[in-house]
Formats: sequence, C-alpha cells, structure tokens
Amino acid sequence: SAVISQKPSRDICQRGTSLTIQCQVDSQVTMMFWYRQQPGQSLTLIATANQGSEATYESGFVIDKFPISRPNLTFSTLTVSNMSPEDSSIYLCSVVGGITGELFFGEGSRLTVL
Amino acid sequence: DAKTTQPTSMDCAEGRAANLPCNHSTISGNEYVYWYRQIHSQGPQYIIHGLKNNETNEMASLIITEDRKSSTLILPHATLRDTAVYYCIVRVGGGSYGQNFVFGPGTRLSVLP
Repeated sequence: SAVISQKPSRDICQRGTSLTIQCQVDSQVTMMFWYRQQPGQSLTLIATANQGSEATYESGFVIDKFPISRPNLTFSTLTVSNMSPEDSSIYLCSVVGGITGELFFGEGSRLTVL
Repeated sequence: DAKTTQPTSMDCAEGRAANLPCNHSTISGNEYVYWYRQIHSQGPQYIIHGLKNNETNEMASLIITEDRKSSTLILPHATLRDTAVYYCIVRVGGGSYGQNFVFGPGTRLSVLP
C-alpha cells in the first residue's frame, strides 16, 4: 500500500487568492492524480500528474486555474488560482499502488473560500 | 460519466449483513469492478475488487453475477463504523488508471444501532 500525506489538511482563503496543496507519497510512483470533491458530491478527476511532463487535464479543468507541479516521483503540488467560493471543495491526491492496481488516497485538503 | 448505478441510500442494523447492490450492465470483458468507501471527511478507502469470480477479503465479499452485469458488496457483520458512502466503480484495465476510475454518486449506508 501507499501512504499519502497532504498539506494543508484544511484552509480558509479569501476570494482572489491562490493556494498550493502539497502531496507526498512514501514510494516512487509514475502517475499521481488530483481529484476534487465539492460539498455533498462525488469525486471528479482534475488531472493526472506525470513526472517529467505536463499534467493531463480532464474536461472542464484548465492549467491556468489548476497548475500542477511534479518535480519528482514522490511529490506533487496542485495550485488553486484566483479562488472563488465555487472552489470550496476537498482536494484529494491519489496514486495507483499495490499488486491489485487500486487507487490510494490522501486524507484530502478541505478548502473554504470566503 | 460513471458506468454504474447504485441506490442512493440504504440502512442496515448493526450486526447484520449489509448487501450493497451495483448495476453495471454495459461492463466489457476486460473491466474490473472495484469498491471503495468514504467515511465522512476522510479520503476514499479501497475495499475489494473482482473481474468475474466472487472475491472475499478481511473487509468484505464481492459477488458478481455470471453475466457480470451486476454485483453485490457484502459486509457480513456491519458495525457503526461502516457508516459511509460506498462507491462501485468499473475500471478499464491498463493505461491511465486515474482516468479510468470514474466515481458515481455512490450509496450512503447508514448502520443503525
């Protein structure tokens, strides 16, 4: 299994500011994934972060709004830029691991934008 | 879009078996059925997965129908700590794993004392 740590676990931010969320994995992984979970909703994939290349974004998500870094095989960051109240969500980092190829998730970063 | 349908919510008495159904009528031959759960304010947790055979682990059992169009997750002796949202996910094998894990709305299971 993979152990994933996210920082911050929660934050309250002002409209128009940006916040960077960090994700640290205890093993080297090729792909890391960022999900968003809006209040009362299910999870939606934002992007796939590959080490050494540009992140791949899902429909409805753009790099200018959610820039991602992947400097090495154990770390990634997601920035939520120019925040609005609609960005209030839990942001989750995940990786594929184990012999059965399941997704492992961090505990998430709960963001509230005022 | 998610390729599965699940009931929105279910109740189960503590100590009894919880049987959570999932319909995946358009599943193809190389797609697996995965189950996850999300306890309030935590990241989703892997439970079990299968291709066509029934599977059992320390957490649950997964029963997949012979035609693979539906499955049932069984928690044999539900406890209050099993109260969570349960997600059934059909995943295409290989390639970009993250893009293939599509989460639907899930089933909100409430285990009642």
